[in-house]
Amino acid sequence: GAVVSQHPSWVICKSGTSVKIECRSLDFQATTMFWYRQFPKQSLMLMATSNEGSKATYEQGVEKDKFLINHASLTLSTLTVTSAHPEDSSFYICSARPRRRGDHTEAFFGQGTRLTVV
Amino acid sequence: QQQVKQSPQSLIVQKGGISIINCAYENTAFDYFPWYQQFPGKGPALLIAIRPDVSEKKEGRFTISFNKSAKQFSLHIMDSQPGDSATYFCAASRRDNYGQNFVFGPGTRLSVLP
Repeated sequence: GAVVSQHPSWVICKSGTSVKIECRSLDFQATTMFWYRQFPKQSLMLMATSNEGSKATYEQGVEKDKFLINHASLTLSTLTVTSAHPEDSSFYICSARPRRRGDHTEAFFGQGTRLTVV
Repeated sequence: QQQVKQSPQSLIVQKGGISIINCAYENTAFDYFPWYQQFPGKGPALLIAIRPDVSEKKEGRFTISFNKSAKQFSLHIMDSQPGDSATYFCAASRRDNYGQNFVFGPGTRLSVLP
């Protein structure tokens, strides 16, 4: 199956610094990638939809200036948490849906990134 | 209309038993219903998925039952094993819209006791 690789798997940063998380589709092209945030024991909350070559579409309540998304190529999207604060500590997950013939429309998820802001 | 409801919130099953998780949706435009399994600290992984043109799909110990008229679908895990202990999310989407997000249920934490 398709593989989505997310890096790093965990990161600890100081309050006020910025952190970049990468999401790569390893064996398919992804014109669209999705970024989620997941709090402990909760479901996935969509933060934004990343579109290759254009601006990301953010969900209501998500600060676009704080969570910068760049979809520079058909295989790479990045999420940068700017001026991170302890409340930004969470599990961030990306996903992508390959575009194929037939009915293969499943979404593949990255391994997730555990961000801890101290 | 975009919501997917899921129950129970948590489930404890003895080894060898049957685990059943139920989901319901409102949007009749949805035509693709996957189930994802997530272990702690990991991203969700696709378990099994179904389209509304079939009422049941089975893959190994995992079965999806689908009731189109009731807009409900469920996951059955037969012969549940401790290794099945994880959080399970149902989801809904449209097959022909690759740029569209999945709508996820709130999740069910399954614990299978040895």
